Amino acid sequence: AAGVIQSPRHLIKEKRETATLKCYPIPRHDTVYWYQQGPGQDPQFLISFYEKMQSDKGSIPDRFSAQQFSDYHSELNMSSLELGDSALYFCASSYEQGPEAFFGQGTRLTVV
Amino acid sequence: AQKITQTQPGMFVQEKEAVTLDCTYDTSDPSYGLFWYKQPSSGEMIFLIYQGSYDQQNATEGRYSLNFQKARKSANLVISASQLGDSAMYFCAMRGGTGANNLFFGTGTRLTVIP
Repeated sequence: AAGVIQSPRHLIKEKRETATLKCYPIPRHDTVYWYQQGPGQDPQFLISFYEKMQSDKGSIPDRFSAQQFSDYHSELNMSSLELGDSALYFCASSYEQGPEAFFGQGTRLTVV
Repeated sequence: AQKITQTQPGMFVQEKEAVTLDCTYDTSDPSYGLFWYKQPSSGEMIFLIYQGSYDQQNATEGRYSLNFQKARKSANLVISASQLGDSAMYFCAMRGGTGANNLFFGTGTRLTVIP
């Protein structure tokens, strides 16, 4: 069965650079969630979208923005990267904001 | 506000034995969902099991079962017949009530299965 696809899997950026993370949800899923998991931490919710509209907002820094496109894929844009942004970024998707959210394999961002 | 507590930073279990991973939660919402995820060393987050707050029966998925005690606000994960491949980090998570669809995670329990 098709799963949530995230790209890239690994990304290395320098401080103050920008990064764009992509997420392709499971087919027919219309809800996308973004989470950030720092080293040794539990995942923290950043932002979510339902039917291309932002539905919830968590602890997403102002330097970050995200959107969901007409094909339901989502992109997380990160600017002015800081060392503390180094983390595993997960995207999860569900159908009609349903209870079961399936996660992608994550994008490991390292800021140097 | 929602809160998830996992009090066991690490657990060990003998292969083929059963193990219980503890999870307690706190919420004022009458409607919520409880989840368990497995995160192996490779990093992906694997959905294991879901329990809705109004579900009358405990959820089961193969070797995984969720011991849901609503009055105690606990949602412990029971893994039966442990396998070496079960060694991983396990996160308990809760989905908020009405209007909140994101997940709040506990700090996780690292399970090690001993041959």
